[in-house]
Amino acid sequence: DTGVSQDPRHKITKRGQNVTFRCDPISEHNRLYWYRQTLGQGPEFLTYFQNEAQLEKSRLLSDRFSAERPKGSFSTLEIQRTEQGDSAMYLCASSPRTGPYTEAFFGQGTRLTVV
Amino acid sequence: GQSLEQPSEVTAVEGAIVQINCTYQTSGFYGLSWYQQHDGGAPTFLSYNALDGLEETGRFSSFLSRSDSYGYLLLQELQMKDSASYFCAVRWGNTDKLIFGTGTRLQVFP
Repeated sequence: DTGVSQDPRHKITKRGQNVTFRCDPISEHNRLYWYRQTLGQGPEFLTYFQNEAQLEKSRLLSDRFSAERPKGSFSTLEIQRTEQGDSAMYLCASSPRTGPYTEAFFGQGTRLTVV
Repeated sequence: GQSLEQPSEVTAVEGAIVQINCTYQTSGFYGLSWYQQHDGGAPTFLSYNALDGLEETGRFSSFLSRSDSYGYLLLQELQMKDSASYFCAVRWGNTDKLIFGTGTRLQVFP
């Protein structure tokens, strides 16, 4: 198992374009999270999946953002009509649902730059 | 709402001991985690406290006082590779999502 994998690692896009990021969690981890991190700040929660069900979305997630996790495996995060304010590191994390609490394992992130 | 406060920067020399404090205000609290993040890297888990007291993991220890809404991370025998950002994060809600602080940048000098 190679950990949480995210693709691409870097994305530069023009304002107004759509972008899609992919996250492959650790196998058999049924919990998957997306976070956004800007320079000098801590990660901010965006959304949570348990298996294929999206159970929570942050108010940060405007209607331009959509996330899916078909079949409860990999997940995608799409941003439509990108804005410069969307420039950030997008982090994916996964954890197993065993025991009272287990740590979240983060991927290396996708760094988005909107020009 | 939720907020976590940490010092923005801490400096120390190799071999020293450093403590990074974290105070939090949350409407719900399940536990306090600590993560390390090197520049350009992924946050990696260091420690977790659900109950009051000290948890020790090698050179790193973490402490929690729920009555004071306060915790700290203690790093001993500092090494150059410990230079990184350190985040405290509150585990919140049934989803176990993490609410992160703004982070403390630790610089270790020779």
